[in-house]
Amino acid sequence: RKEVEQDPGPFNVPEGATVAFNCTYSNSASQSFFWYRQDCRKEPKLLMSVYSSGNEDGRFTAQLNRASQYISLLIRDSKLSDSATYLCVVRRGGTYKYIFGTGTRLKVLA
Amino acid sequence: GAGVSQSPSNKVTEKGKDVELRCDPISGHTALYWYRQRLGQGLEFLIYFQGNSAPDKSGLPSDRFSAERTGESVSTLTIQRTQQEDSAVYLCASSGSPGTGGGAKNIQYFGAGTRLSVL
Repeated sequence: RKEVEQDPGPFNVPEGATVAFNCTYSNSASQSFFWYRQDCRKEPKLLMSVYSSGNEDGRFTAQLNRASQYISLLIRDSKLSDSATYLCVVRRGGTYKYIFGTGTRLKVLA
Repeated sequence: GAGVSQSPSNKVTEKGKDVELRCDPISGHTALYWYRQRLGQGLEFLIYFQGNSAPDKSGLPSDRFSAERTGESVSTLTIQRTQQEDSAVYLCASSGSPGTGGGAKNIQYFGAGTRLSVL
């Protein structure tokens, strides 16, 4: 079992739709959680950090469930420009090593 | 510079040759990471440097791979006797001094990567 798992997708959604991704992690001591976005043939870029209380940035909402060991990302009112691969990232507890999920691919259709 | 800089952006080499990849982190960032990303795959951790501490080399796939960093500046990743399976994008990231909690110091900023093709 991978330490960080994501549904690879693709998720094909129409513009304006709401879409949610989940990511599960296996190491209960994990700390520091992030969502990164990666466009085709580009480097990953931070979308948002994920805090225990949940956090929102515009159309994006991230949540962390430590008991069930998953994090989620909700995108409201999807735009064509949201089409990308979304990477779930977890820092392994007690280390400075970051484990990346393989990503969930999103396609927003006109 | 303003961001993480990697060179070369593309490298084509013949099987068996050595290659050296360079990463220039964001000024003031003490932590530096190397990752490998094969086509259509996720990021694979290779090595991590933090200040003057011993690097975490646990992700290096074989002894053909090595990396160095001088102080808190430039890092080089060297691959000796390249093989076709080494073909990938090699990404470098830097961050501030990561702490045990969350916060901005834990955020990694990536360079554009070096695309390595071994023929």
